Amino acid sequence: ETGVTQSPTHLIKTRGQQVTLRCSSQSGHNTVSWYQQALGQGPQFIFQYYREEENGRGNFPPRFSGLQFPNYSSELNVNALELDDSALYLCASSSGGVRAGNEQFFGPGTRLTVL
Amino acid sequence: AQRVTQPEKLLSVFKGAPVELKCNYSYSGSPELFWYVQYSRQRLQLLLRHISRESIKGFTADLNKGETSFHLKKPFAQEEDSAMYYCALRSGSARQLTFGSGTQLTVLP
Repeated sequence: ETGVTQSPTHLIKTRGQQVTLRCSSQSGHNTVSWYQQALGQGPQFIFQYYREEENGRGNFPPRFSGLQFPNYSSELNVNALELDDSALYLCASSSGGVRAGNEQFFGPGTRLTVL
Repeated sequence: AQRVTQPEKLLSVFKGAPVELKCNYSYSGSPELFWYVQYSRQRLQLLLRHISRESIKGFTADLNKGETSFHLKKPFAQEEDSAMYYCALRSGSARQLTFGSGTQLTVLP
């Protein structure tokens, strides 16, 4: 069984640029959630995807957007990067859809630095 | 809005001593609470959930609705327990997790 994978591991961008982060869900998982973890803080929910549609969103502006593909992998896109977007971005996958409330398995994260 | 508070950023105990990591929450509904752990150079992983009422690696946590707390306890700490611990509450249409800011536990030899 393959766990959650994320790419790239590290990324450096400048303010105003756009970035795409990728996540492959664990085998058999159809739900993907994204979290932002700033330094010294706990992860903060960005949004969740289920059946290729956004299903729930945290307190993040529209320049944070995402996609889920038929194979359940997902992308997180951030436009017009700001310095405060520097963080570890975590992807978590789970099975059974939202109502199942099954355990979320986390990936290793992508470290984004905005200069 | 829901909120999870972990008042201690750092906690050090000696091996064999009891340990308690504090977690308080605010939530208007019926809470689902979890403890996650992140060992050095490893990914975040679930330690235990309150509905299971089980002991994992010697850790237990009891939900106290009156005090809105979900403290994590272990009677005899081991060096391998050294890690970052996060308390989390699950809520919302997406059943998303709201995390506390974490407590770094160090168990000294």
